Amino acid sequence: DAKTTQPPSMDCAEGRAANLPCNHSTISGNEYVYWYRQIHSQGPQYIIHGLKNNETNEMASLIITEDRKSSTLILPHATLRDTAVYYCIASYNFNKFYFGSGTKLNVKP
Amino acid sequence: DTEVTQTPKHLVMGMTNKKSLKCEQHMGHRAMYWYKQKAKKPPELMFVYSYEKLSINESVPSRFSPECPNSSLLNLHLHALQPEDSALYLCASSQGRIDPIRNTIYFGEGSWLTVV
Repeated sequence: DAKTTQPPSMDCAEGRAANLPCNHSTISGNEYVYWYRQIHSQGPQYIIHGLKNNETNEMASLIITEDRKSSTLILPHATLRDTAVYYCIASYNFNKFYFGSGTKLNVKP
Repeated sequence: DTEVTQTPKHLVMGMTNKKSLKCEQHMGHRAMYWYKQKAKKPPELMFVYSYEKLSINESVPSRFSPECPNSSLLNLHLHALQPEDSALYLCASSQGRIDPIRNTIYFGEGSWLTVV
């Protein structure tokens, strides 16, 4: 599975868009990009995943570059409840789902 | 219903004790997982069961013994643990399909284990 690299922490003002980057330069053609988040002391929560097209759901948008070497998770209007650690994972096989170090997003009032 | 239920939420055990963590899901998922998470670290994969058979063991010490009695249940038997095994243990499940589109992994809230 491709290794992913994320900044250790980011700040975002409440109500503004949070853009969380992820680098996965060694991603292979059949690996999907998944995003999960973990709010303090809770289990990880699925957010979104995609292969090469941009994806949007009720929680977030996922933008994947054309060469698939990086992606950005966008939370359009961050709230204090979005403060969490966000994990970007590249995987094609349900047997092999490994978390990287993640980004701690701090949403500030 | 996308719920994975883990019990107990908190467990304190001595190094000579034998205890078990339990996990249950009723989503019809055929893959179940155990992860271990230390404070301020990402979850680490321990075991994967696929269709009730152990498919992945990430070189986990034998003092951790997983068991999958049926497709809805997953246990983690604990024996002769060390204080450094204290962590959050997360259970997860997925459909277990090769097709990633339908293979979202859902996590429980975890069991906090303290070994004294």
